[in-house]
Amino acid sequence: GAGVSQTPSNKVTEKGKYVELRCDPISGHTALYWYRQSLGQGPEFLIYFQGTGAADDSGLPNDRFFAVRPEGSVSTLKIQRTERGDSAVYLCASSPFRGADTQYFGPGTRLTVL
Amino acid sequence: SQQGEEDPQALSIQEGENATMNCSYKTSINNLQWYRQNSGRGLVHLILIRSNEREKHSGRLRVTLDTSKKSSSLLITASRAADTASYFCATDAGNQFYFGTGTSLTVIP
Repeated sequence: GAGVSQTPSNKVTEKGKYVELRCDPISGHTALYWYRQSLGQGPEFLIYFQGTGAADDSGLPNDRFFAVRPEGSVSTLKIQRTERGDSAVYLCASSPFRGADTQYFGPGTRLTVL
Repeated sequence: SQQGEEDPQALSIQEGENATMNCSYKTSINNLQWYRQNSGRGLVHLILIRSNEREKHSGRLRVTLDTSKKSSSLLITASRAADTASYFCATDAGNQFYFGTGTSLTVIP
């Protein structure tokens, strides 16, 4: 596609529920990143994929968070047993390869946990 | 945890004036990048400066990097109302990317 797309753009859920957030990177980009941004803060690194594998998942806050990229393209961020503190904008970015000059960001998914 | 800290947190200037924002970081880096964000959504890459560079220009943007002080500055010259946004520095220290806390810039027409 022309750019990184993320769906849904907004997600409202109740505490304790499971959510999936989808990222569709730019075609051909092998590197994919997930970030979380709370209000008034900068994006916080969560996980980085190189191809299908998670090359670095050290930013995931706990084991309720999990991400996959089974075919090396679309990625899904999964959050189990959501908590109110998970409310944030979840940003996805891709780049042609690890170490490329630019990361291209999607518009984000705003997650609200009631 | 976020590595970069930006200063000031908020900046308000008149159209046509220059805007300067600063970023400090904590560890060795490969490069430092500046991004712009409108309305709390997607970020747009503005400029990258590598650790062996001291200054870089792109249009109305000028970026400096002082690795001895672990700091960078972004200068926007001849500001326009459309420059109103949040600006973030981001450091690439290998496998991790860290964004600063951001500077909220308001350019008054």
